Amino acid sequence: ETGVTQTPRHLVMGMTNKKSLKCEQHLGHNAMYWYKQSAKKPLELMFVYSLEERVENNSVPSRFSPECPNSSHLFLHLHTLQPEDSALYLCASSYTGQGTQYFGPGTRLTVL
Amino acid sequence: KNQVEQSPQSLIILEGKNCTLQCNYTVSPFSNLRWYKQDTGRGPVSLTIMTFSENTKSNGRYTATLDADTKQSSLHITASQLSDSASYICVVSPTTSGTYKYIFGTGTRLKVLA
Repeated sequence: ETGVTQTPRHLVMGMTNKKSLKCEQHLGHNAMYWYKQSAKKPLELMFVYSLEERVENNSVPSRFSPECPNSSHLFLHLHTLQPEDSALYLCASSYTGQGTQYFGPGTRLTVL
Repeated sequence: KNQVEQSPQSLIILEGKNCTLQCNYTVSPFSNLRWYKQDTGRGPVSLTIMTFSENTKSNGRYTATLDADTKQSSLHITASQLSDSASYICVVSPTTSGTYKYIFGTGTRLKVLA
């Protein structure tokens, strides 16, 4: 158990749907991250929140919208996704200053 | 070209054998290098972390080495077990204060056969 949980574990959605991914960390960390993992590609950093403030947004399409209501919770709101958005979405947390990241189990997203 | 390259892309070995995974990076300067293990359907889990001044770090049957001059790191797995079947990812953090940069390699997929 890494102390980082993600729900749902699997999600299938149509291109017109709206859904949200949830991440929760129980480690007392102050930074949280969203990554996209596609086959045979390195993990792609999407968003970083430090002390509940977004500090990094790596040119992610606006159909992905993050939300960090507090230091323990992170959401990724999805709407009008494309089939190429199908991937494993990983949440991670750490202490600030490039501390070791702890990852959740991921959400396997399929966009039809 | 990715700043962190791993080889081989995939590897199959028999249980009980040793193996070595390679990581070449161009990130410079960097503050630390990590190796992660990612089981299928799970998130990555940290195995070792080395600063630029360290040469080796062990975690049970896993030993990581670092040569900052040649910008190479390796992960050696001793007496492999079936549970070692996973992807192994090398991650380099650049030396840039106030950032959250973690540069990931594409990983090596290891399969251990009985």
